[in-house]
Order: sequence, then C-alpha cells, then structure tokens
Amino acid sequence: GNSVTQMEGPVTLSEEAFLTINCTYTATGYPSLFWYVQYPGEGLQLLLKATKADDKGSNKGFEATYRKETTSFHLEKGSVQVSDSAVYFCALSDLAGAQKLVFGQGTRLTINP
Amino acid sequence: DSGVTQTPKHLITATGQRVTLRCSPRSGDLSVYWYQQSLDQGLQFLIQYYNGEERAKGNILERFSAQQFPDLHSELNLSSLELGDSALYFCASSLTLLNYNEQFFGPGTRLTVL
Repeated sequence: GNSVTQMEGPVTLSEEAFLTINCTYTATGYPSLFWYVQYPGEGLQLLLKATKADDKGSNKGFEATYRKETTSFHLEKGSVQVSDSAVYFCALSDLAGAQKLVFGQGTRLTINP
Repeated sequence: DSGVTQTPKHLITATGQRVTLRCSPRSGDLSVYWYQQSLDQGLQFLIQYYNGEERAKGNILERFSAQQFPDLHSELNLSSLELGDSALYFCASSLTLLNYNEQFFGPGTRLTVL
C-alpha cells in the first residue's frame, strides 16, 4: 500500500538557518504530494503541493520538488523564522487510494531566536 | 480559518460511552473526510463521504460509524469507547474527488476517554 516516510524529529534550528525535512514515499499509482503544517492547538493547513513529476511547490519561502526517480518530496527553506515553529507533515493522495491523504509521522520543528 | 467547523472542541467521557462528533464542511465542498490523530498511530484516515454516500473506508473500527446528511454536514459516532480511543479527530473537506484537490481541515475535536 501507499506510505510516506519523514525524517525523524524533533528538529531544532536557530533563526535564519537553512531547513531541510526529508520525505520519501511509496505509491502504486501517480500520487499528488503535499506538505501540511500544524501550528500548536490548530488544525492542519496546506503549505504547498505538487501534482506531477518535476513540479515544484512553493509558499511562504518553503519549496519542495516532486522527484519521481528518487520518490522524494523534501521540504526546504533558505532562512527560517521563529514563526515557522510547528509540526510539518508530508502526505500523498492517490486516485487509486480514493483520494484519502496518507501522512508521514510528522516532524516537529523548533526555531530559536 | 479554513471554513470547516467541528463541534465540540473538547469532549471528556468515560469508557463504554457513546459520543457524536459533528463537522460542517466548507461551503460548496461535497467531500468530507475523517482522520484520527494519536501519539502512537499518527494521523490516520478513517472514512470518506461524497455527496451523502460513503466512498472509502480506512482503519475505522467497527465501533465507529459515520454519515453525511443532505445538507452535507457529517457526524462521526464512536461507541463502546475505550481508553485507546482518546485522540484528536479531524474532519476535512474538498470540492471534488480529484486527488490533487486540497483538503481543508477543521480545528479538530479532542476526545479524552477516562
């Protein structure tokens, strides 16, 4: 079945540091890939998405490129801020999987000033 | 604000009891999804409805059931509750069944079973 694996957390960085959160997936079809973010006490918000190979999703300085050859969708940001502290989830959605989202385990990110 | 509302925000109950969680999707969204978030299982898909009909089931226990009403709101019923059912339950909605459509999440209902 479909699955998503994220790098182990938690991740702690200083403000303005470079961020990478690794995400790899296993899917039988041609999934769409997503990064969702969960701020403390809130629901999930879509951060960015990519729907086909080599697409790059970007939002709020975050980027991720859909790499079919390495089945990866790593999240990057060049200079993180304290306000980026949250839990980040990589997810996929596949038509064969009835459009449900399959999530990775989440990565807690803390940015120190 | 995603436009998805969930009630109640918090629910505390005892083992063996039954509860109902309610979700109102974004205006115009036909598809509703329920997810469970727990520390040991992470975020897991439970069930999906589209325009009133069940479309897909995930890891949903037989003690759990759901439905989507004609006005498109949905309810998740949890019965014979056990301690392990304590979790955050999210509802999400999307416009269509296309897999690249964004799902919009509600703020969740935190269920505590004592």
